[in-house]
Amino acid sequence: DGGITQSPKYLFRKEGQNVTLSCEQNLNHDAMYWYRQDPGQGLRLIYYSQIVNDFQKGDIAEGYSVSREKKESFPLTVTSAQKNPTAFYLCASSMTGWNTEAFFGQGTRLTVV
Amino acid sequence: GENVEQHPSTLSVQEGDSAVIKCTYSDSASNYFPWYKQELGKRPQLIIDIRSNVGEKKDQRIAVTLNKTAKHFSLHITETQPEDSAVYFCAAYYNAGNMLTFGGGTRLMVKP
Repeated sequence: DGGITQSPKYLFRKEGQNVTLSCEQNLNHDAMYWYRQDPGQGLRLIYYSQIVNDFQKGDIAEGYSVSREKKESFPLTVTSAQKNPTAFYLCASSMTGWNTEAFFGQGTRLTVV
Repeated sequence: GENVEQHPSTLSVQEGDSAVIKCTYSDSASNYFPWYKQELGKRPQLIIDIRSNVGEKKDQRIAVTLNKTAKHFSLHITETQPEDSAVYFCAAYYNAGNMLTFGGGTRLMVKP
């Protein structure tokens, strides 16, 4: 059950605060993704990165920011501009090219209090 | 970009019956179609996938079919068991963007 690790598992944030979610992988994958999952809904893409120092907005990037300074790490910052940040956040990684199975982390549940 | 539609959003079957979940995609260049299973409180995990050069793939009680002309693919689960209860996601690999686009998910409930 290793390969991609998210921390923390649960996170509480006060309104108006920024918070950073960690995602680390040791699979030597080039591509990494952040998804948001809300109850009863699917996986919505926030940001993705194909290579170091490059990332692209997904469908719901507003209020979020990312960095990809290292191949192994793709942290997500939920800023105070995100109007409804309470959700379950999933990080994933995959190899580029033909074999693109995505491996997911165990998720971080963020609650704004 | 790619758009993936998944139906139904919920599906309830009796144990032993079959379950079918269908997905459509928009980008004809998509070439890889995985299915993920997410049990309650756990991470999604790949259960089966199919590539665009194959029309059908089976793995024990699970099968996936692909119709490239119609741009749809389906997951078939036979002889369902209570442990099959989970949320299932289809996805399409969007070649131009090098990313996976997921469907909205199907909550499958298998009644004992």
